[in-house]
Amino acid sequence: EAGVAQSPRYKIIEKRQSVAFWCNPISGHATLYWYQQILGQGPKLLIQFQNNGVVDDSQLPKDRFSAERLKGVDSTLKIQPAKLEDSAVYLCASSLRGTKNIQYFGAGTRLSVL
Amino acid sequence: SQQGEEDPQALSIQEGENATMNCSYKTSINNLQWYRQNSGRGLVHLILIRSNEREKHSGRLRVTLDTSKKSSSLLITASRAADTASYFCAFGGATNKLIFGTGTLLAVQP
Repeated sequence: EAGVAQSPRYKIIEKRQSVAFWCNPISGHATLYWYQQILGQGPKLLIQFQNNGVVDDSQLPKDRFSAERLKGVDSTLKIQPAKLEDSAVYLCASSLRGTKNIQYFGAGTRLSVL
Repeated sequence: SQQGEEDPQALSIQEGENATMNCSYKTSINNLQWYRQNSGRGLVHLILIRSNEREKHSGRLRVTLDTSKKSSSLLITASRAADTASYFCAFGGATNKLIFGTGTLLAVQP
């Protein structure tokens, strides 16, 4: 079974530039999550999708972050414009409905904002 | 903050020794999970314990849960160098949302 795919693995941008991350979840997983993990901390949920609908985006900085999951499969997370404090690893995860929310993670995208 | 707290922040042991890490949380939960993260990689699910369970085993892992104290512990027995990683607790409520702890960095010296 293929795992959660994310790209790119690394991205370096200057502040005020925009950036986009892509995620392809495990086939059949209806729930998709985007997390931000700052160095030395645990992952913080940014947004949760159930199919192509948003379940929770309470911690998404909506003035600069946006995410979509068209057709309920792949998802993109965008930051525009980026700030220095956005430097982090962005993790995508997916889970199967009814599995007590055991989540499967991709390898993440490491973003450095200079 | 809703984030769980873990201690110790870092732990260094010799191969063959046991490693214990603890997690505390503030809200009511349906289950508590532990994940491992190797450097530069995503998280991998290790074990899940339901709120009505007190102890669970999986191979060299033992998890305990005390809902009255809102705390959990993860014990790794007979540790190996390959166990070197960061370990995170994560607690789940009524929705599919997980809230992760701050993590424990475990170093197992060969």
